[in-house]
Parts: sequence; C-alpha cells; structure tokens
Amino acid sequence: DAGVTQSPTHLIKTRGQQVTLRCSPKSGHDTVSWYQQALGQGPQFIFQYYEEEERQRGNFPDRFSGHQFPNYSSELNVNALLLGDSALYLCASSLGGAGGYEQYFGPGTRLTVT
Amino acid sequence: KNQVEQSPQSLIILEGKNCTLQCNYTVSPFSNLRWYKQDTGRGPVSLTIMTFSENTKSNGRYTATLDADTKQSSLHITASQLSDSASYICVVSARSDYKLSFGAGTTVTVRA
Repeated sequence: DAGVTQSPTHLIKTRGQQVTLRCSPKSGHDTVSWYQQALGQGPQFIFQYYEEEERQRGNFPDRFSGHQFPNYSSELNVNALLLGDSALYLCASSLGGAGGYEQYFGPGTRLTVT
Repeated sequence: KNQVEQSPQSLIILEGKNCTLQCNYTVSPFSNLRWYKQDTGRGPVSLTIMTFSENTKSNGRYTATLDADTKQSSLHITASQLSDSASYICVVSARSDYKLSFGAGTTVTVRA
C-alpha cells in the first residue's frame, strides 16, 4: 500500500520562473491538501482539492494554483516565483476532507528560489 | 482567527529523560487535535489524534492529553531516545472546516 509520494524531491528555480510540483495520494484517498512550510515554521495551508475542484483555500495569492486529476493525484503550480517562495512544500492526502479525517503527509518538495 | 500556540519553542534533554510539550489553541468549534512528529526535511507523521471526548491517548512512549475546557493539550515523551529528536507539531481542526490550524512546533533535541 503506497503512501503519499511527491516529486521532485528538490528543485532550484530563478526568480520569475514557474514551477510545478506533483503529488500522488495514499491509496484509497480522494482528497489532497497542499501546505507551504518555511524554515522553522509550521506548515501553512495553501488549498485543498476534492473531486477535481478546489474546495478550500488559504491566504495565498493567485500565483499559487493547482489541479486534481481523475486518479486523485494533484499538481501545485507557482508562477512568477519570488525569493520568499523558497520553502518545503508538503502534500497531504485524506479521505473525504481534512477536518475529521486523518491526513497523511508526503516527504515534501524542497523548493529553492535564487 | 483560529490559532495554535506551542511551548517551549525548543528544548534539549538527555537520553532516557522525560519531557512535556504544551499546546494552547483558540480554534472553535473544536473537532479534533493531532500531534505530529516531523524529522528535519521530512513530512510530518501522525502520533495521536484526539476528539472532544478523549482526555488522553498513547502511542508507545508518546502520551497526549487534552483538556477541551481550557483548550490545552500536552504531549509527554517518556524515556527519550536519540530518535525522538525532531519537531513536534500540534494541529487543531475546527468542526465543518476543511482547514487545519498548525502550531509552529517544538524542536526537541535528545543528547546522549
């Protein structure tokens, strides 16, 4: 039973560029949430996808967008990268929603913007 | 605004000793509270999850307590091991809300 997987593991981009991060949920899960975790901070909620739609969004600008595919995998896209976007990006999967259900986190993608 | 505050920010303990981490929250209406362990550069791993009616829950050497009246939780680590060195994050979920509120975490360093 595969857990949550994310790719790539590490990524280095230049300011102004665009990046796409990928996440495959745990087998049987249908909901994917994305988080940004700056060094020394707790994760910050970006958004959540369920049934291929964005169901809830945190306080992040429109430069952050996402997508969920019919197989429940998800992508996080960030446009016009800023130095402040450097962080560990975590994907978490759950069944039916985050509030009352266990979330399983992936290993994260470390994004460095130079 | 729903908030989760953890203390201390960091602590150092000797191998074999016990320690207790604190979490205070203002999330309302409350659904559940979780403690996660996060190794450096890795994703968080769930230790315990407690609902309103649960006062304590254990997972091996980890014991979490919850006082929903005072909106406080603690995580007690017994007989610490070097592998316990990590960040411990308190996460609170509000009822009918898809978002989780995360604390900033407590960094625990266990030394031989």
